[in-house]
Amino acid sequence: EAQVTQNPRYLITVTGKKLTVTCSQNMNHEYMSWYRQDPGLGLRQIYYSMNVEVTDKGDVPEGYKVSRKEKRNFPLILESPSPNQTSLYFCASSSYGTGTGGPWDTGELFFGEGSRLTVL
Amino acid sequence: ILNVEQSPQSLHVQEGDSTNFTCSFPSSNFYALHWYRWETAKSPEALFVMTLNGDEKKKGRISATLNTKEGYSYLYIKGSQPEDSATYLCAFSLMDSNYQLIWGAGTKLIIKP
Repeated sequence: EAQVTQNPRYLITVTGKKLTVTCSQNMNHEYMSWYRQDPGLGLRQIYYSMNVEVTDKGDVPEGYKVSRKEKRNFPLILESPSPNQTSLYFCASSSYGTGTGGPWDTGELFFGEGSRLTVL
Repeated sequence: ILNVEQSPQSLHVQEGDSTNFTCSFPSSNFYALHWYRWETAKSPEALFVMTLNGDEKKKGRISATLNTKEGYSYLYIKGSQPEDSATYLCAFSLMDSNYQLIWGAGTKLIIKP
């Protein structure tokens, strides 16, 4: 079954305690991305990756790190979490189409089920 | 600052009624408009991707239209059912997007039995 898997799904942690949210996809997708979702706001992109060893900042990268050592995995690292990073996090992936629009030619972004993080 | 506006923010609809809501986006440098359906505690799922002005797409009782010149898209649901209850998200991308989507805050649809 094609899927994007995130872990953990729920986490309560304390300020400053490093944590990693893993993301894995089994569709051989080139493109992967992390978003955060906060009440009343649209999804905001944290980081994205066009392919292995290629990552770039999204709209809200501060306080986060990512890596893309393998095509299937795209972990999100919070080196020193703070309460303003309390949020619902989504990982997503997509393949490239045959046109010029990058991932969006295929018309579909596949999402994980989300990781709800609380930082006290 | 690029912005996507979705209205209304939330909507209560009687089962069996039809409904529609709006996604507004900047019309310049437009590439594609996406609609996603997000049920509580699940992953957002793609409904439609549209790129052409005047495009209309349909999936069962759900359809969407696109006007790229004036910068809006409508999502229609015909004969609403309880399983249609979800948040409907729209997002758009630009020609020089660096492969980024810009998302609206969503319209939360609640179907009353």
